[in-house]
Amino acid sequence: AQKITQTQPGMFVQEKEAVTLDCTYDTSDPSYGLFWYKQPSSGEMIFLIYQGSYDQQNATEGRYSLNFQKARKSANLVISASQLGDSAMYFCAMREPQNRDDKIIFGKGTRLHILP
Amino acid sequence: NAGVTQTPKFQVLKTGQSMTLQCAQDMNHEYMSWYRQDPGMGLRLIHYSVGAGITDQGEVPNGYNVSRSTTEDFPLRLLSAAPSQTSVYFCASSYSRRLGRDYGYTFGSGTRLTVV
Repeated sequence: AQKITQTQPGMFVQEKEAVTLDCTYDTSDPSYGLFWYKQPSSGEMIFLIYQGSYDQQNATEGRYSLNFQKARKSANLVISASQLGDSAMYFCAMREPQNRDDKIIFGKGTRLHILP
Repeated sequence: NAGVTQTPKFQVLKTGQSMTLQCAQDMNHEYMSWYRQDPGMGLRLIHYSVGAGITDQGEVPNGYNVSRSTTEDFPLRLLSAAPSQTSVYFCASSYSRRLGRDYGYTFGSGTRLTVV
């Protein structure tokens, strides 16, 4: 069963608008970690943000924030004031608990296009 | 520069040939993984290792072998290449999950493999 679901294969957003990329996850373990990675057209994988399941506050890193809704198993990435350089593929990921060997599993990604 | 070094960056193989994708990290990370990335499929885990001498299968292990004789190196072997193994391969490493902040993976720059 798919554990990370990204329902938006592609998105088009006007420059300077805020963007929300959706991610839902499935786990029965109380302790887990959630990540977002960015993959620009050059191909490298860039770590953006992390949210621990016990963190009381939503994670923020500059223009990136993670809207963590634990009861809904949702971990949406919010990009404020989007820029042309934000055009990329974005992956949501989850680290499974240590009794499952700490694996990190990825969603299928959302391709974001920022329009000038 | 510290990080994950993958070689080669590009490779073309004929069906049935064998080769090894190299991966080395100098961050003393316990955890190393190999992923393949295919269009529309996200990143799928091939094999992973939680420490020297310990490896295990991920989601798509068939056709690939790994070993982890040192903390630093985690080579991926294709024993008899098939066109279905045409993909982009990423090696990644991290500390094993600990209490507190998790920085997730550091990724290599990827290997684009074509099997003809």
